[in-house]
Amino acid sequence: KAGVTQTPRYLIKTRGQQVTLSCSPISGHRSVSWYQQTPGQGLQFLFEYFSETQRNKGNFPGRFSGRQFSNSRSEMNVSTLELGDSALYLCASSLGTGDETQYFGPGTRLLVL
Amino acid sequence: GQNIDQPTEMTATEGAIVQINCTYQTSGFNGLFWYQQHAGEAPTFLSYNVLDGLEEKGRFSSFLSRSKGYSYLLLKELQMKDSASYLCAGGYGGSQGNLIFGKGTKLSVKP
Repeated sequence: KAGVTQTPRYLIKTRGQQVTLSCSPISGHRSVSWYQQTPGQGLQFLFEYFSETQRNKGNFPGRFSGRQFSNSRSEMNVSTLELGDSALYLCASSLGTGDETQYFGPGTRLLVL
Repeated sequence: GQNIDQPTEMTATEGAIVQINCTYQTSGFNGLFWYQQHAGEAPTFLSYNVLDGLEEKGRFSSFLSRSKGYSYLLLKELQMKDSASYLCAGGYGGSQGNLIFGKGTKLSVKP
């Protein structure tokens, strides 16, 4: 089975711009979770989508949003980028019911200048 | 919040055994995950404990005590390739789509 894929792998943006990141889960997985990883804060949960609905949400501002499509692929969007948004953005997929082990994609490294 | 605490750094010698501890808040707790993350790479799943006790998987074992809010990851016969960050994560609430991660323990294995 193919693993979790994320595109793009690297992005450079400037303050005030917006960005959309994409995640394709493992086939058959219906849950997609998004995390932000920075050296200072570690891995922090952004939100989780299951069957096209946001099921859980972390403590991030409304500039961070996401959605999930009927094929379980997910996107996250960050509007009005700030320097502090520079981070590795990881998505993880799981079955969503029962065995909740999450499998991570390679991440998108975002640099905001 | 559900704080997950683990040591920041550890150093061990090739061939030795190392234990990485993790404490967590027990309220609403479902299960405990351990992930390995090499520098510049994504976390990879190591183990998942729901019940008390020790689970062994080759050179790696993970232990959970639900009543004490305590877990550890035991790595035996250390190899240089085990140098990585080890992330402890707790699942809370009705679903486990939102794992709460500790900040990771950076393990350095020296010859």
